[in-house]
Amino acid sequence: QLVLTQSPSASASLGASVKLTCTLSSGHSSYAIAWHQQQPEKGPRYLMKLNSDGSHSKGDGIPDRFSGSSSGAERYLTISSLQSEDEADYYCQTWGTGILFGGGTKLTVL
Amino acid sequence: QVQLVQSGSELKKPGASVKVSCKASGYTFTSYAMNWVRQAPGQGLEWMGWINTNTGNPTYAQGFTGRFVFSLDTSVSTAYLQISSLKAEDTAVYYCARSRTIGYEPYYFDYWGQGTLVTVSS
Repeated sequence: QLVLTQSPSASASLGASVKLTCTLSSGHSSYAIAWHQQQPEKGPRYLMKLNSDGSHSKGDGIPDRFSGSSSGAERYLTISSLQSEDEADYYCQTWGTGILFGGGTKLTVL
Repeated sequence: QVQLVQSGSELKKPGASVKVSCKASGYTFTSYAMNWVRQAPGQGLEWMGWINTNTGNPTYAQGFTGRFVFSLDTSVSTAYLQISSLKAEDTAVYYCARSRTIGYEPYYFDYWGQGTLVTVSS
């Protein structure tokens, strides 16, 4: 069964970098995912599509501070030079038979 | 630029119905599928299903059959979500989101609506 697992929370300091993880369940390590950001009281925003080989394509207007990478069943979102507006919930999404979301990671910028 | 603009917040009594709209602009409406996503208060994102904007054929995710109906008016590039026999547990923000399709299934979402809060309370 396809499951996306995310840590519920993460934190990092202003100006630092943070790496968020989305883990695909066993047998699904070849799947691509998408990352979405949801700032407080706002709708989600598409950040990027991330392939199993680490290649990724970002959405319109997404800053270079956001990048993606992959290793095995893990898909990463790295945010560098953290800004206060990066404090948000981050969701991974995949597709196949229907659409599946991870539980989301709440990022706190200290 | 691509925009998905949803209708405003709704306050409904249990047992009533609600219809949420999602008006698309900035792209050819029928070139992308439209998905619906629910977010209950303090919870994550839950995919409700999608509608093929070419054929009008809806597909409902598990847990969203019976009281939920997806529809279209392609003449005004608008998708609709109707929920009937509303219950308190339907209280949530509902989002539309567009996607391409891959193998007759929806793909990743690249644009989202701003969300519509539906509150069900007596």
